[in-house]
Amino acid sequence: GQQVMQIPQYQHVQEGEDFTTYCNSSTTLSNIQWYKQRPGGHPVFLIQLVKSGEVKKQKRLTFQFGEAKKNSSLHITATQTTDVGTYFCAPYGGATNKLIFGTGTLLAVQP
Amino acid sequence: GAGVSQSPSNKVTEKGKDVELRCDPISGHTALYWYRQSLGQGLEFLIYFQGNSAPDKSGLPSDRFSAERTGGSVSTLTIQRTQQEDSAVYLCASSFTGHNTEAFFGQGTRLTVV
Repeated sequence: GQQVMQIPQYQHVQEGEDFTTYCNSSTTLSNIQWYKQRPGGHPVFLIQLVKSGEVKKQKRLTFQFGEAKKNSSLHITATQTTDVGTYFCAPYGGATNKLIFGTGTLLAVQP
Repeated sequence: GAGVSQSPSNKVTEKGKDVELRCDPISGHTALYWYRQSLGQGLEFLIYFQGNSAPDKSGLPSDRFSAERTGGSVSTLTIQRTQQEDSAVYLCASSFTGHNTEAFFGQGTRLTVV
């Protein structure tokens, strides 16, 4: 089946530092979504990427979809304590026809 | 409704008992998912309903787990003869379609098997 790895599993940064999480698929994707789950909360949709090489920005967050549509990244510039949580990618396409999630990256931000 | 509603929010049950978890999706959403999340872990796919199609049950961990969706709306996840390893948060999500629109999650049901 489709393998969706996210790296790193965990990252601890000082407030103000940048952060990046990567999502890698073994198959070509149709699209990819990103979600954020705050501690004790439920996942909340952030964005969807569809086109090869697409880049989208939301304030300090930058999302990229690889040229081959097999990988994606989420970059946060100048992290804040409100960025704490687990970031999940949710790829669609290839061997899967349903919404499944990557392994997630837990971000801890020290003030 | 305003969002995806799950009940109960918390459930403590004795090992061996059956439990039913309920999910009320957003009105008009044809896709409905159930996921399981153990403490500190990721989102494990359980089952997927899409319109009137046969559900995708490929994620159900054993035959003790079953789910149904009546009238294309409310869904119930049933766990029979609960085991301690079933303890987790069970999350329900719905969306307009299965794959290319935003999924909205409920608050989850925290199941504890003692």
